[in-house]
Amino acid sequence: GDSVTQTEGLVTLTKGLPVMLNCTYQTTYSPFLFWYVQHLNEAPKLLLKSSTDNKRTEHQGFYATLHKSSSSFHLQKSSVQLSDSALYFCASMPNYNVLYFGSGTKLTVEP
Amino acid sequence: EAAVTQSPRSKVAVTGGKVTLSCHQTNNHDYMYWYRQDTGHGLRLIHYSYVADSTEKGDIPDGYKASRPSQENFSLILELASLSQTAVYFCASSSGTGGPLYAEQFFGPGTRLTVL
Repeated sequence: GDSVTQTEGLVTLTKGLPVMLNCTYQTTYSPFLFWYVQHLNEAPKLLLKSSTDNKRTEHQGFYATLHKSSSSFHLQKSSVQLSDSALYFCASMPNYNVLYFGSGTKLTVEP
Repeated sequence: EAAVTQSPRSKVAVTGGKVTLSCHQTNNHDYMYWYRQDTGHGLRLIHYSYVADSTEKGDIPDGYKASRPSQENFSLILELASLSQTAVYFCASSSGTGGPLYAEQFFGPGTRLTVL
């Protein structure tokens, strides 16, 4: 069946370093992939979305490229800030309007 | 900005008791959702609805009922609350139009439910 896998549960980095959060998916349909971000005690919010193969999408300094050949949609940023500390969820939309979320990656950025 | 509100924001319930969580949206969205969030499990879909007076089961519907009396309101009902239902519950809404990439879900602030 359809699923989303995020391999890192916890990532801790020093401010200014690059980050890549992994996301792979399984779907029998044409993939629509999303990244949501949830800051502490807040609601999840959409960060990025894509359905176009090999096209980079960017928002708020974060970027991701959907690679259908490897079923991946990794989230990257070239230089993390303290304010980037949050929980990041990858999600797919195999059925119209129903999202399947990965287990999430908690990113902690230290001074 | 889309607006989804939830009540209560936190609740302590007793095992075996009935709990009702409420969600209200002012976005004129057709779709509404209930998720639960547990550490290590991300967000899991419990029930959703795309029209008033109709609900659909998500991935983990057992032990939960849902009610959509109007386009704006969507409730989650725990008839017999259990310890395992302690979690944070999020409501969300989306327009349901424009194709999947435009089906952004807007989340409410969450309800922290503790069952003792």
